[in-house]
Amino acid sequence: GDKVKQSPSALSLQEGTNSALRCNFSIAATTVQWFLQNPRGSLINLFYLVPGTKENGRLKSAFDSKESYSTLHIRDAQLEDSGTYFCAAEDSNNRIFFGDGTQLVVKP
Amino acid sequence: NAGVIQTPRHKVTGKGQEATLWCEPISGHSAVFWYRQTIVQGLEFLTYFRNQAPIDDSGMPKERFSAQMPNQSHSTLKIQSTQPQDSAVYLCASSTGGTGQLYFGEGSKLTVL
Repeated sequence: GDKVKQSPSALSLQEGTNSALRCNFSIAATTVQWFLQNPRGSLINLFYLVPGTKENGRLKSAFDSKESYSTLHIRDAQLEDSGTYFCAAEDSNNRIFFGDGTQLVVKP
Repeated sequence: NAGVIQTPRHKVTGKGQEATLWCEPISGHSAVFWYRQTIVQGLEFLTYFRNQAPIDDSGMPKERFSAQMPNQSHSTLKIQSTQPQDSAVYLCASSTGGTGQLYFGEGSKLTVL
């Protein structure tokens, strides 16, 4: 989307390596969510963030509302991490805007 | 907790026919959202309800599309006189209130021939 820009659009990782995905916002985001869409098409909620950071296993996410960006760090990538990652930002009117996604392929 | 349930998972209609998609939110969630996903447009917001009341339908096409939430346990998205460009995966999500953390269903894939 034009309000939420994700980068990179696609990424290939070797199993066991680390990487970071990023979202930049052109809106004044109040909260951010990160999702993984698996091959079945299900959108799994990974993180829901107010400004700050959260960590869950090999995943860590940060949201900086002043600089209008969020990151998702993947540590020790596994094959099951493959899929499309979406970030979504909420504005002050409680509208949620999605980015276009990052397609991640983890190779053995 | 069964999660958000959407039916049907797949629907094929002929051009001009009507399609109705159903969503059952997670029990206790007061907000329900509808999104549409296509390869070209990505994830597009359609509409959302809070406590069964329509709050924001700014993403809904002005003609042929309507959404309702007659009770707290289900919402419907109806498309009249379907067109091939309506083909998409329609996703429903619920949250505990306002917006908050979204939980999505598996989607309903609509194909209009």
